[in-house]
This record gives sequence, structure tokens and C-alpha cells, in this order.
Amino acid sequence: EPEVTQTPSHQVTQMGQEVILRCVPISNHLYFYWYRQILGQKVEFLVSFYNNEISEKSEIFDDQFSVERPDGSNFTLKIRSTKLEDSAMYFCASTSQVNTGELFFGEGSRLTVL
Amino acid sequence: DAKTTQPNSMESNEEEPVHLPCNHSTISGTDYIHWYRQLPSQGPEYVIHGLTSNVNNRMASLAIAEDRKSSTLILHRATLRDAAVYYCILRDDAKAAGNKLTFGGGTRVLVKP
Repeated sequence: EPEVTQTPSHQVTQMGQEVILRCVPISNHLYFYWYRQILGQKVEFLVSFYNNEISEKSEIFDDQFSVERPDGSNFTLKIRSTKLEDSAMYFCASTSQVNTGELFFGEGSRLTVL
Repeated sequence: DAKTTQPNSMESNEEEPVHLPCNHSTISGTDYIHWYRQLPSQGPEYVIHGLTSNVNNRMASLAIAEDRKSSTLILHRATLRDAAVYYCILRDDAKAAGNKLTFGGGTRVLVKP
């Protein structure tokens, strides 16, 4: 069964360092998302991406965050200068249908900022 | 986004049915009712969705009230693997591309052997 894969599964970084989280969405999907979940809290929307541009972003997704789809298969989330409060699980998701189609989520990348 | 209200937690015995309620009194005509679940240490997983009619799939059934202001997710025979947080989410079909899911607190389901 096709699945969304994410790497790394866990990354530890120092505050102020740049981090790139990678995702390989399901191959025929066109809509891509990043979510995050701080330990013990809700799953929060960060950004949605379609046709090589951001469709929607939340207040969390400030200038420190960026996304790109560099090669038609990978979908990356970059955090330019990490803060302690960026420590969370980051989930990538994709779907083939924008409104009623199910979102397929990856297993997540755990980011720990020290 | 229209809001949903779910109980914080529910307990069930293994192999018994589980009925998970969700209230969405401010639902609009174009809102679909989606259910996702999140098993421990995993990403969310789609369960089922519907608009007006009751829906069944291999994982669960979704019963939607006639006025659409509430719905119930039914797990017919709970297994230990069904222990998870279950999220009831409204998603507006009329919105533009990239429509997101907005997760609330969900219902934590504990299944006892």
C-alpha cells in the first residue's frame, strides 16, 4: 500500500541551527501539507502546498519556515533558525483530492531543539 | 472553521462496540464530517467521512443525525489496536485548493482486554 515517508525519524539540533525535514508524498498526489504536534498537545496545521506554491499557512508558519518541492518527489520543510519551542513531531501529509479526499499522513519526524 | 465537541475520553471492553459522539451544531451545508484517529506515536490516520447519509467502511460506521448537528462514529468490535485518539473534524467542501484539516482535542479511547 502506498505511504508517505518522512526522514529523519528523529533529529536533535542546537538552538539557532537550520533544520530540513524531508517527506516523500504518495506519487500521484498533488496536495501537500505539514502539521506539527508539540508533546501532549493538539495536531496543528502549518502549511498547505499545491502547484508549487503555498495555498494556505497558519500563524505558526512565520518567516523562519519555508517549504519546497525541489525535484517533483520530495517535499521539504525548512526551519532557518530553530528555537526551543520548535521541538515537536512534524507530520507530512498528502492527498489526491483537495476537499473531500482523505489525507495520508507520514509517521512523523521528531525534532528536539536543545 | 466550524467547531466540534467530543468527550475527552471513553473506555471500552475488547470485542464490544464503541460509540463515539461528536457535536457540531454550527455545521454549514458544505461541511463534510471527517473522522481520523491517531494511534500512539503515529501520525493521524483516516477513518471515515460523510455528508448527510450514514456511511460504512471496513474500519467503522458513521451515523449522521438528520439535522447534521451531531454524528457518531461506531467501532463495531473494538480491538486493542483501536486504542487511539479519535478526531471528529469538519471540512468545508466549498473552500479553495489546499483545504486543511483542523484538529481538536479528540476522544482518547481506551480498550480493556
